[in-house]
Amino acid sequence: GDKVKQSPSALSLQEGTNSALRCNFSIAATTVQWFLQNPRGSLMNLFYLVPGTKENGRLKSAFDSKESYSTLHIRDAQLEDSGTYFCAAEADSNYQLIWGSGTKLIIKP
Amino acid sequence: GALVYQYPRRTICKSGTSMRMECQAVGFQATSVAWYRQSPQKTFELIALSTVNSAIKYEQNFTQEKFPISHPNLSFSSMTVLNAYLEDRGLYLCGARRALSYEQYFGPGTRLTVL
Repeated sequence: GDKVKQSPSALSLQEGTNSALRCNFSIAATTVQWFLQNPRGSLMNLFYLVPGTKENGRLKSAFDSKESYSTLHIRDAQLEDSGTYFCAAEADSNYQLIWGSGTKLIIKP
Repeated sequence: GALVYQYPRRTICKSGTSMRMECQAVGFQATSVAWYRQSPQKTFELIALSTVNSAIKYEQNFTQEKFPISHPNLSFSSMTVLNAYLEDRGLYLCGARRALSYEQYFGPGTRLTVL
């Protein structure tokens, strides 16, 4: 089964609304990274997390290693937030990232 | 800031030919460099990983004979796709892990199309 299960797979939101993306882990994740991939394919770093929370502008992310999940909250969604969001986890400090399948987010005006 | 450059951004090659792609980390010290392939179905596969003071480690479905990698230092890496076929299509991403923070920064990718 999926070691990193990401949900939802797709999401369509009105501009100005809030959303929450989630990743559940069946591995002993030690760190989590969240990325946004734009339509051209470029990956943008959003967060790097050890257990805890981080906030950056309208984005907030949390990682709970004991409950094996991570969330990404988007507040007041804007058109430029559209793209595919990926989470990726690291386990056992072996430098390899294990990727979720992505959430395709569309923000409508 | 921390940036990872990749060249070329996209390339088209005939089936059975080879192509080389490059990756450079700028503005930070990298402790490891990883090459990934994102398939048309958007899943990520790790091709190979190299860390400080260790040899390049290839994942199970990838070999040095097919994807030779050269890295004179961790700031620069190049990978060649030898004898490319349809199944080699995809977006090839280079990720460099930053020393101290351990965040992995990715380049924009090289999109390979095989005709």
